[in-house]
Amino acid sequence: DADVTQTPRNRITKTGKRIMLECSQTKGHDRMYWYRQDPGLGLRLIYYSFDVKDINKGEISDGYSVSRQAQAKFSLSLESAIPNQTALYFCATSDVSPGTSGSMGYNEQFFGPGTRLTVL
Amino acid sequence: QQQVKQSPQSLIVQKGGISIINCAYENTAFDYFPWYQQFPGKGPALLIAIRPDVSEKKEGRFTISFNKSAKQFSLHIMDSQPGDSATYFCAASFSGSARQLTFGSGTQLTVLP
Repeated sequence: DADVTQTPRNRITKTGKRIMLECSQTKGHDRMYWYRQDPGLGLRLIYYSFDVKDINKGEISDGYSVSRQAQAKFSLSLESAIPNQTALYFCATSDVSPGTSGSMGYNEQFFGPGTRLTVL
Repeated sequence: QQQVKQSPQSLIVQKGGISIINCAYENTAFDYFPWYQQFPGKGPALLIAIRPDVSEKKEGRFTISFNKSAKQFSLHIMDSQPGDSATYFCAASFSGSARQLTFGSGTQLTVLP
């Protein structure tokens, strides 16, 4: 979605290199997330942030770090990339509004287009 | 345990047929069950969602069936079209997890013309 952008879209790097993936959003949402997608494993949460001062580890945070520079920006870093970090990475945002019962708005997450990272 | 198990991993359906994707969960605290649709080269997008106070939610050709006692829910795509070819993810969340989504492993649907 144009409202959530990710850079770069593709990146090839070597083992041991430091990599930063960036995410920007214009939706005005407070909550931002980083996921990785691997075939057969679905989407797994790496880190999430509910505001600039609130950052939390997800299911698979080892080997990753994040920075929430502003409400609109959330970066993911791989301090020393390794081959098993080769994956598709997605940033997502959501609003704090719980939505109404039965509606689709209950913490709907809006995803960016993804970054395909290859670590050689 | 917050795992959500999804099947099948891949599905091939003829145009006009019915596509059915199933998910099962363990955590009885889950109270929101969305389905996300992902086209190649795109991020997932919310397709349809259900709360456990109803057993079925229908939007156009897409229907979620929910069985609380069996802890299962499924997505039915009626009159499947080639444009429905995508990867589908079920997910679940509850308020105690700050509404984090736990995703299933995904189903790659191919609808043949």
